[in-house]
Amino acid sequence: EDQVTQSPEALRLQEGESSSLNCSYTVSGLRGLFWYRQDPGKGPEFLFTLYSAGEEKEKERLKATLTKKESFLHITAPKPEDSATYLCAVPASYNTDKLIFGTGTRLQVFP
Amino acid sequence: DAGVTQSPTHLIKTRGQQVTLRCSPKSGHDTVSWYQQALGQGPQFIFQYYEEEERQRGNFPDRFSGHQFPNYSSELNVNALLLGDSALYLCASSYLAGAYEQYFGPGTRLTVT
Repeated sequence: EDQVTQSPEALRLQEGESSSLNCSYTVSGLRGLFWYRQDPGKGPEFLFTLYSAGEEKEKERLKATLTKKESFLHITAPKPEDSATYLCAVPASYNTDKLIFGTGTRLQVFP
Repeated sequence: DAGVTQSPTHLIKTRGQQVTLRCSPKSGHDTVSWYQQALGQGPQFIFQYYEEEERQRGNFPDRFSGHQFPNYSSELNVNALLLGDSALYLCASSYLAGAYEQYFGPGTRLTVT
Protein backbone atom coordinates (compact mmCIF):
# COMPACT_ATOMS: atom_id res chain seq x y z
CA GLU A 1 0.00 0.00 0.00
CA ASP A 2 1.27 3.47 -0.88
CA GLN A 3 2.24 5.35 2.23
CA VAL A 4 4.04 8.52 3.33
CA THR A 5 5.22 8.89 6.92
CA GLN A 6 6.66 12.07 8.36
CA SER A 7 8.61 12.51 11.58
CA PRO A 8 8.69 14.04 14.03
CA GLU A 9 5.04 15.11 14.29
CA ALA A 10 6.12 18.31 16.03
CA LEU A 11 9.44 20.06 16.49
CA ARG A 12 10.33 23.01 18.68
CA LEU A 13 13.57 24.83 17.94
CA GLN A 14 15.34 27.87 19.24
CA GLU A 15 16.17 30.45 16.63
CA GLY A 16 19.46 29.42 15.00
CA GLU A 17 19.17 25.76 16.08
CA SER A 18 19.47 23.64 12.92
CA SER A 19 17.57 20.38 12.50
CA SER A 20 16.10 17.94 9.97
CA LEU A 21 12.62 16.69 9.14
CA ASN A 22 12.11 13.19 7.74
CA CYS A 23 9.73 11.87 5.09
CA SER A 24 9.74 8.14 4.33
CA TYR A 25 7.64 6.70 1.53
CA THR A 26 6.43 3.41 0.14
CA VAL A 27 5.41 3.58 -3.52
CA SER A 28 6.24 1.53 -6.61
CA GLY A 29 8.40 3.51 -8.97
CA LEU A 30 8.90 6.97 -7.50
CA ARG A 31 7.83 9.68 -9.94
CA GLY A 32 8.83 12.62 -7.82
CA LEU A 33 8.68 13.80 -4.22
CA PHE A 34 7.25 17.19 -3.33
CA TRP A 35 7.77 19.35 -0.24
CA TYR A 36 5.23 21.96 0.78
CA ARG A 37 4.97 24.51 3.57
CA GLN A 38 1.54 25.19 5.08
CA ASP A 39 0.63 28.05 7.40
CA PRO A 40 -2.43 27.64 9.64
CA GLY A 41 -5.71 27.87 7.73
CA LYS A 42 -3.98 28.36 4.39
CA GLY A 43 -3.20 26.24 1.36
CA PRO A 44 0.14 24.43 1.01
CA GLU A 45 2.90 26.47 -0.60
CA PHE A 46 5.13 24.59 -3.03
CA LEU A 47 8.80 24.38 -1.99
CA PHE A 48 10.71 21.66 -3.87
CA THR A 49 10.48 18.75 -6.29
CA LEU A 50 13.01 15.91 -6.13
CA TYR A 51 13.07 13.17 -8.76
CA SER A 52 16.03 10.90 -8.17
CA ALA A 53 18.12 9.55 -5.30
CA GLY A 54 21.04 11.83 -4.51
CA GLU A 55 19.27 14.94 -5.75
CA GLU A 56 19.38 18.07 -3.57
CA LYS A 57 17.50 21.37 -3.77
CA GLU A 58 18.05 24.52 -1.70
CA LYS A 59 16.00 27.61 -0.95
CA GLU A 60 17.17 30.12 1.63
CA ARG A 61 17.56 28.19 4.92
CA LEU A 62 15.97 25.00 3.55
CA LYS A 63 17.67 22.09 1.80
CA ALA A 64 15.84 18.99 0.62
CA THR A 65 17.57 15.69 -0.12
CA LEU A 66 16.32 12.38 -1.48
CA THR A 67 17.34 8.74 -1.04
CA LYS A 68 15.65 5.62 -2.39
CA LYS A 69 13.32 5.36 0.60
CA GLU A 70 13.21 8.76 2.26
CA SER A 71 13.70 12.47 1.99
CA PHE A 72 15.05 14.98 4.47
CA LEU A 73 14.29 18.66 4.81
CA HIS A 74 17.23 20.31 6.54
CA ILE A 75 16.63 23.67 8.19
CA THR A 76 19.76 25.68 8.85
CA ALA A 77 19.74 28.48 11.43
CA PRO A 78 15.92 28.76 11.43
CA LYS A 79 14.07 31.97 12.17
CA PRO A 80 10.63 32.39 13.78
CA GLU A 81 9.12 33.04 10.33
CA ASP A 82 10.03 29.46 9.37
CA SER A 83 7.36 28.25 11.81
CA ALA A 84 4.78 26.26 9.82
CA THR A 85 3.71 22.72 9.01
CA TYR A 86 5.91 21.04 6.42
CA LEU A 87 4.24 18.44 4.23
CA CYS A 88 5.76 15.96 1.82
CA ALA A 89 3.87 14.15 -0.93
CA VAL A 90 4.47 11.56 -3.64
CA PRO A 91 2.38 10.50 -6.64
CA ALA A 92 0.55 7.21 -6.05
CA SER A 93 1.94 4.07 -7.67
CA TYR A 94 -0.92 3.38 -10.08
CA ASN A 95 -2.67 6.73 -10.12
CA THR A 96 -0.09 9.40 -10.70
CA ASP A 97 -2.76 12.11 -10.77
CA LYS A 98 -3.12 11.54 -7.04
CA LEU A 99 -0.65 12.97 -4.55
CA ILE A 100 -0.33 11.05 -1.28
CA PHE A 101 0.55 13.34 1.60
CA GLY A 102 2.09 12.67 4.97
CA THR A 103 0.46 14.21 8.03
CA GLY A 104 3.21 16.81 8.24
CA THR A 105 5.73 18.07 10.76
CA ARG A 106 4.61 21.07 12.77
CA LEU A 107 7.67 23.28 13.28
CA GLN A 108 7.82 26.04 15.88
CA VAL A 109 10.89 28.30 16.05
CA PHE A 110 11.23 30.45 19.15
CA PRO A 111 13.29 33.67 19.34
CA ASP B 1 1.23 36.21 -12.21
CA ALA B 2 -2.11 35.18 -10.76
CA GLY B 3 -1.95 32.15 -8.52
CA VAL B 4 -4.71 29.66 -7.78
CA THR B 5 -7.83 31.33 -6.46
CA GLN B 6 -10.76 29.76 -4.62
CA SER B 7 -14.16 30.98 -3.50
CA PRO B 8 -15.73 31.33 -1.09
CA THR B 9 -13.19 31.56 1.74
CA HIS B 10 -15.53 30.23 4.37
CA LEU B 11 -18.88 28.50 4.23
CA ILE B 12 -21.33 27.23 6.83
CA LYS B 13 -23.96 24.70 5.79
CA THR B 14 -26.50 22.45 7.47
CA ARG B 15 -26.54 18.65 7.22
CA GLY B 16 -28.33 17.47 4.10
CA GLN B 17 -27.67 20.64 2.12
CA GLN B 18 -25.62 20.92 -1.04
CA VAL B 19 -22.55 23.10 -1.61
CA THR B 20 -20.55 24.32 -4.61
CA LEU B 21 -16.93 25.43 -4.33
CA ARG B 22 -15.06 27.21 -7.10
CA CYS B 23 -11.47 27.30 -8.28
CA SER B 24 -9.50 29.20 -10.91
CA PRO B 25 -6.13 27.68 -11.80
CA LYS B 26 -2.79 29.43 -11.95
CA SER B 27 -2.13 31.20 -15.22
CA GLY B 28 -0.84 28.71 -17.81
CA HIS B 29 -2.18 25.66 -16.01
CA ASP B 30 -4.81 23.37 -17.51
CA THR B 31 -5.33 20.72 -14.83
CA VAL B 32 -7.21 21.04 -11.56
CA SER B 33 -7.16 18.63 -8.62
CA TRP B 34 -9.33 18.78 -5.52
CA TYR B 35 -8.28 17.72 -2.02
CA GLN B 36 -9.98 17.52 1.37
CA GLN B 37 -7.91 18.32 4.45
CA ALA B 38 -9.21 17.50 7.90
CA LEU B 39 -7.66 19.24 10.89
CA GLY B 40 -4.21 17.86 11.69
CA GLN B 41 -4.13 15.65 8.61
CA GLY B 42 -2.52 15.84 5.20
CA PRO B 43 -4.68 16.62 2.16
CA GLN B 44 -6.67 13.67 0.73
CA PHE B 45 -7.14 13.43 -3.05
CA ILE B 46 -10.73 13.72 -4.24
CA PHE B 47 -10.34 13.86 -8.05
CA GLN B 48 -8.54 15.55 -10.93
CA TYR B 49 -9.93 17.28 -14.02
CA TYR B 50 -8.11 17.63 -17.31
CA GLU B 51 -9.63 18.59 -20.68
CA GLU B 52 -12.98 18.96 -18.94
CA GLU B 53 -13.06 15.32 -17.85
CA GLU B 54 -12.57 13.59 -14.52
CA ARG B 55 -9.38 11.56 -14.90
CA GLN B 56 -9.04 9.72 -11.62
CA ARG B 57 -10.88 9.63 -8.37
CA GLY B 58 -9.85 9.04 -4.77
CA ASN B 59 -11.84 7.15 -2.14
CA PHE B 60 -14.74 9.58 -1.99
CA PRO B 61 -18.44 8.76 -2.50
CA ASP B 62 -20.52 9.86 -5.44
CA ARG B 63 -21.87 12.71 -3.32
CA PHE B 64 -18.68 14.46 -4.39
CA SER B 65 -18.78 15.57 -8.01
CA GLY B 66 -17.05 18.15 -10.11
CA HIS B 67 -16.82 19.98 -13.34
CA GLN B 68 -14.18 21.73 -15.39
CA PHE B 69 -15.02 24.56 -17.75
CA PRO B 70 -13.39 25.46 -21.10
CA ASN B 71 -11.37 28.21 -19.36
CA TYR B 72 -9.91 25.48 -17.06
CA SER B 73 -11.70 26.73 -13.95
CA SER B 74 -13.44 24.08 -11.87
CA GLU B 75 -16.24 23.47 -9.41
CA LEU B 76 -16.56 20.93 -6.63
CA ASN B 77 -20.08 19.95 -5.62
CA VAL B 78 -20.96 18.05 -2.49
CA ASN B 79 -24.53 16.78 -2.00
CA ALA B 80 -26.30 15.58 1.13
CA LEU B 81 -23.72 17.12 3.43
CA LEU B 82 -22.62 15.20 6.52
CA LEU B 83 -20.96 16.53 9.64
CA GLY B 84 -17.82 14.65 8.58
CA ASP B 85 -17.58 16.74 5.42
CA SER B 86 -16.39 19.67 7.53
CA ALA B 87 -12.84 20.35 6.35
CA LEU B 88 -10.57 22.63 4.36
CA TYR B 89 -11.14 22.01 0.65
CA LEU B 90 -8.11 22.68 -1.47
CA CYS B 91 -7.82 23.17 -5.17
CA ALA B 92 -4.46 22.57 -6.87
CA SER B 93 -3.51 23.33 -10.43
CA SER B 94 -0.75 22.00 -12.67
CA TYR B 95 0.33 22.00 -16.27
CA LEU B 96 -0.69 18.68 -17.81
CA ALA B 97 -2.27 15.83 -15.92
CA GLY B 98 -0.20 13.29 -14.05
CA ALA B 99 2.72 13.52 -11.67
CA TYR B 100 3.63 17.15 -12.02
CA GLU B 101 4.10 19.96 -9.55
CA GLN B 102 0.75 21.04 -8.17
CA TYR B 103 0.21 24.54 -6.84
CA PHE B 104 -2.46 25.02 -4.22
CA GLY B 105 -5.00 27.72 -3.62
CA PRO B 106 -5.84 29.19 -0.20
CA GLY B 107 -8.68 26.74 0.35
CA THR B 108 -12.34 26.95 1.33
CA ARG B 109 -13.17 26.20 4.95
CA LEU B 110 -16.49 24.30 5.01
CA THR B 111 -18.32 23.84 8.29
CA VAL B 112 -21.34 21.55 8.40
CA THR B 113 -23.64 21.94 11.40
